[in-house]
Amino acid sequence: GAGVSQSPRYKVAKRGQDVALRCDPISGHVSLFWYQQALGQGPEFLTYFQNEAQLDKSGLPSDRFFAERPEGSVSTLKIQRTQQEDSAVYLCASSLSSGGGETQYFGPGTRLLVL
Amino acid sequence: GENVEQHPSTLSVQEGDSAVIKCTYSDSASNYFPWYKQELGKGPQLIIDIRSNVGEKKDQRIAVTLNKTAKHFSLHITETQPEDSAVYFCAARDNYGQNFVFGPGTRLSVLP
Repeated sequence: GAGVSQSPRYKVAKRGQDVALRCDPISGHVSLFWYQQALGQGPEFLTYFQNEAQLDKSGLPSDRFFAERPEGSVSTLKIQRTQQEDSAVYLCASSLSSGGGETQYFGPGTRLLVL
Repeated sequence: GENVEQHPSTLSVQEGDSAVIKCTYSDSASNYFPWYKQELGKGPQLIIDIRSNVGEKKDQRIAVTLNKTAKHFSLHITETQPEDSAVYFCAARDNYGQNFVFGPGTRLSVLP
């Protein structure tokens, strides 16, 4: 079946531009996560949704980062006034339920480069 | 909060040899430990996981061991093949949070 998909796969932005990154989770998955992966490092947690509710946004690095999942399916991560330090791969993951130990399935990521 | 360390950062082995990657975690409440494989330009792919009520789990050439007392867990790959070459990440999650805390990764190269 279809896995987690993300678009665009690559995004180049000029510093100061706003960007929107899309995640399509596996159909029926309740939980959705966003992670940021800097070059040569492990993914770092940004935010978590259970259905449409954003239950944890403790990892968002600044108020320029905003995420939503209005209908409990597709999610969008928006970055306003992009800075060079925002350059990274943004990974989306989904899991079937909110129970402990549920496997998270990752998408291919969106590689953001801010010039 | 949770902190996960991972060693070594790079590992080269000859095809057919075994590879071992070790991780330590700081939060004794962590109870779920997945391992992910990431190939260039792709997202992480789960290869094996272990829960805190189990000491060892094996799936064909891959095994994971967990020592809760010492708070460390290890990935073992036997009979390595060139297609095993990738970056491997360990992660930990506690019973209260939902997100994973990842280690910094190990770049494994299997030389033919």
